[in-house]
Amino acid sequence: SQQGEEDPQALSIQEGENATMNCSYKTSINNLQWYRQNSGRGLVHLILIRSNEREKHSGRLRVTLDTSKKSSSLLITASRAADTASYFCATHSYSGAGSYQLTFGKGTKLSVIP
Amino acid sequence: DTGVSQDPRHKITKRGQNVTFRCDPISEHNRLYWYRQTLGQGPEFLTYFQNEAQLEKSRLLSDRFSAERPKGSFSTLEIQRTEQGDSAMYLCASSSAGGRTEAFFGQGTRLTVV
Repeated sequence: SQQGEEDPQALSIQEGENATMNCSYKTSINNLQWYRQNSGRGLVHLILIRSNEREKHSGRLRVTLDTSKKSSSLLITASRAADTASYFCATHSYSGAGSYQLTFGKGTKLSVIP
Repeated sequence: DTGVSQDPRHKITKRGQNVTFRCDPISEHNRLYWYRQTLGQGPEFLTYFQNEAQLEKSRLLSDRFSAERPKGSFSTLEIQRTEQGDSAMYLCASSSAGGRTEAFFGQGTRLTVV
């Protein structure tokens, strides 16, 4: 099952523009993470935001988290053609008996046009 | 350490055959996840290990799927009596204990059932 739902499903922008992707989830979380996947490859971790944090920055990435709305956004500033990839949010939550789940959404496919 | 490695990278098998995939996590990581990903979808959780204990298994996973992690090191995922619907990318990820929950993914094993 997949908890996160990214929006939009696909996004096409010009190089230099900013890209914003949104993620909504359903249950309580320990943290929320964003990953990037180039076509046919494994996922690469980008940034993690804890449930008690509201905003986090890493280079050209800015992530916000609103636990009251169960939503997060990922902003990529000054996009580059190399940012073209699929982006996934993943929620980390406790599922009982010492077990944790890292549950992914369906992703946003970002295309940055040179 | 070169990260998470998966073997084989590609597997073509005939329907009804059994297949086994291997994952070698980052050596100091005690958490290990298996996911399945089909085209255009996010990774779908299959199972989770903490050390050698399998703590979580997706309810969507049929009895044809089994995973092991002997001695808490490498893990294997076996699919018995493969079906065409099993064709997918199988991803392995590992993470360390404690607060650092970001997962490091392997490149995946692409399974094609013909």
